[in-house]
Amino acid sequence: DIQMTQSPSSLSASVGDRVTITCRASQGISNYLAWYQQKPGKVPELLIYAASTLQSGVPSRFSGSGSGTDFTLTISSLQPEDVATFYCQKYDSAPPTFGQGTKVEIK
Amino acid sequence: EVQLVESGGGLVQPGESLRLSCAASGFPFSVYPMNWVRQAPEKGLEWVSYITGSGTTIYYADSVKGRFTISRDNAQNSLYLQMNSLRADDTAVYYCVRDEGGPLDYWGQGTLVAVSS
Repeated sequence: DIQMTQSPSSLSASVGDRVTITCRASQGISNYLAWYQQKPGKVPELLIYAASTLQSGVPSRFSGSGSGTDFTLTISSLQPEDVATFYCQKYDSAPPTFGQGTKVEIK
Repeated sequence: EVQLVESGGGLVQPGESLRLSCAASGFPFSVYPMNWVRQAPEKGLEWVSYITGSGTTIYYADSVKGRFTISRDNAQNSLYLQMNSLRADDTAVYYCVRDEGGPLDYWGQGTLVAVSS
């Protein structure tokens, strides 16, 4: 099975900072990658699919890029409401594996 | 409005069984594949099982294969997860999740399953 590895596991940044999270697949998955945001105590929400397409209603400060094995989630200007754990997920074929998560905090 | 409401969670002893249900509304249920995804306390997301809209294709995570059974009743707009031979490491919040051709676009609030003696 394809493994998904996220880095870093956690990060602390200041409001307004540019934040980048990476996700690496152990084999190529084309652009079959989604990103989810789970705020503390809340249900996960779909942020981005097809590696770079923003889900409806997601703020434009979020963006995704990549193809094949290497993917990136970027928050252009970190806001207090972005405190959350972010997960990548591949969906090219079963099993639709998640990355281990990246916890984002405000410095 | 899409709604997914899970039920059936609870505290059980190792080796016992539990059946989770998910009531769906606000969308044409039979058209969409569905998933169960779980999250152990303070841990990440783990996909558990998938079923196509017609119910003809089903997948399981290796960790639950042979013990869990996913099913659906499109007439009742309901998704199910029969969980047998439960173990302590099955303890988690179980989410019912709609599948939009791969991306998981709507999640229920989850139901807690606790396995402990």
